[in-house]
Amino acid sequence: NAGVMQNPRHLVRRRGQEARLRCSPMKGHSHVYWYRQLPEEGLKFMVYLQKENIIDESGMPKERFSAEFPKEGPSILRIQQVVRGDSAAYFCASSPDFLNEQYFGPGTRLTVT
Amino acid sequence: RKEVEQDPGPFNVPEGATVAFNCTYSNSASQSFFWYRQDCRKEPKLLMSVYSSGNEDGRFTAQLNRASQYISLLIRDSKLSDSATYLCVVRKGDYKLSFGAGTTVTVRA
Repeated sequence: NAGVMQNPRHLVRRRGQEARLRCSPMKGHSHVYWYRQLPEEGLKFMVYLQKENIIDESGMPKERFSAEFPKEGPSILRIQQVVRGDSAAYFCASSPDFLNEQYFGPGTRLTVT
Repeated sequence: RKEVEQDPGPFNVPEGATVAFNCTYSNSASQSFFWYRQDCRKEPKLLMSVYSSGNEDGRFTAQLNRASQYISLLIRDSKLSDSATYLCVVRKGDYKLSFGAGTTVTVRA
């Protein structure tokens, strides 16, 4: 039973480029959450999605960041025109419903040069 | 003020020692409490939930003090494999988990 999968594990982008991070939830899980962990800080909630719906994006920066979870395929976190401050570990988690335990993927480490 | 605050440590202890640390949370409406473990550059993994009456899981004991809004974790008979960062996590009742920055524990031989 595969866990939450994220790819790529490491991503290097130059300032101004776009970053696309993918997350495949555990089998049977339809709730996906994205968190960001800056160096020396705790994970911060970004967005909560169900299939084809954004439920809560209150933790997402207002500009340049977007997320989707299409009917088919993985959830995507997209960062346009990346800046150095976007360098962080981005973790995706999934759960079978919104109150159950969230299982985390291995994360994508984004480095902006 | 941060929602969840932790002493970053590090706590350096010899094998077999007992180590304990706390975290405090600011939102009195928080309903669920957890300790997660994060190994270097890896994903957080649930270590244990924390219940009002306190609970134990093997060598790990967690306590919750709602009046003072703090949570503690005690590790007995430390093993080398306990070396990790321990994340204090609270949830108000919905889906958003609020993480502390973590307490680093290093167990030495």
